[in-house]
Amino acid sequence: AQSVSQHNHHVILSEAASLELGCNYSYGGTVNLFWYVQYPGQHLQLLLKYFSGDPLVKGIKGFEAEFIKSKFSFNLRKPSVQWSDTAEYFCAVNAPSGTSYDKVIFGPGTSLSVIP
Amino acid sequence: SQTIHQWPATLVQPVGSPLSLECTVEGTSNPNLYWYRQAAGRGLQLLFYSVGIGQISSEVPQNLSASRPQDRQFILSSKKLLLSDSGFYLCAWSHHPGTSVTGELFFGEGSRLTVL
Repeated sequence: AQSVSQHNHHVILSEAASLELGCNYSYGGTVNLFWYVQYPGQHLQLLLKYFSGDPLVKGIKGFEAEFIKSKFSFNLRKPSVQWSDTAEYFCAVNAPSGTSYDKVIFGPGTSLSVIP
Repeated sequence: SQTIHQWPATLVQPVGSPLSLECTVEGTSNPNLYWYRQAAGRGLQLLFYSVGIGQISSEVPQNLSASRPQDRQFILSSKKLLLSDSGFYLCAWSHHPGTSVTGELFFGEGSRLTVL
């Protein structure tokens, strides 16, 4: 069965520190990969996505992620975090199956706290 | 543009009472629709999905049911709530597979259910 793991449950950083959140998935075929973010009191929204092509994808607010197929990883990075990046981050994987349903599996989430 | 609405935002219900959470999508047709439950530290658990009117698939056996009476309406129900049904419920939609974008989910604001 497909699964998604995230390396850290809770990360605490100071402003301007660099961020890397790990994500690994278990699925041997073609996948689409996503990072979603949930800011306090707000709904889940897409941060970035990988479907094909350049494995380094850029998202909103200076975030980027790199798809490494050989490692089944899709780590999220940001060179310099801000207090406003405090949120919960979810990695997700979708394996297109050619059927009428696209199943999206989420990781357990990483809570990021940025200290001013 | 597409929008998704979910209500009620919060709900406090006694054990054994019925439940109805409603979700509607505007600005698109024939979407895939999903109900997730979000628990702290456990990510998003897929409960139900639907690829069309009257077509419901359950991912996890439980005390809940779902219905899709119209193309853009998705309802989560229970005849008798249990304490364990407390949680944060999220409705989401995605483009139907076969379009250029698959797997990306668009979430509602969520419904916080407390069963006492």
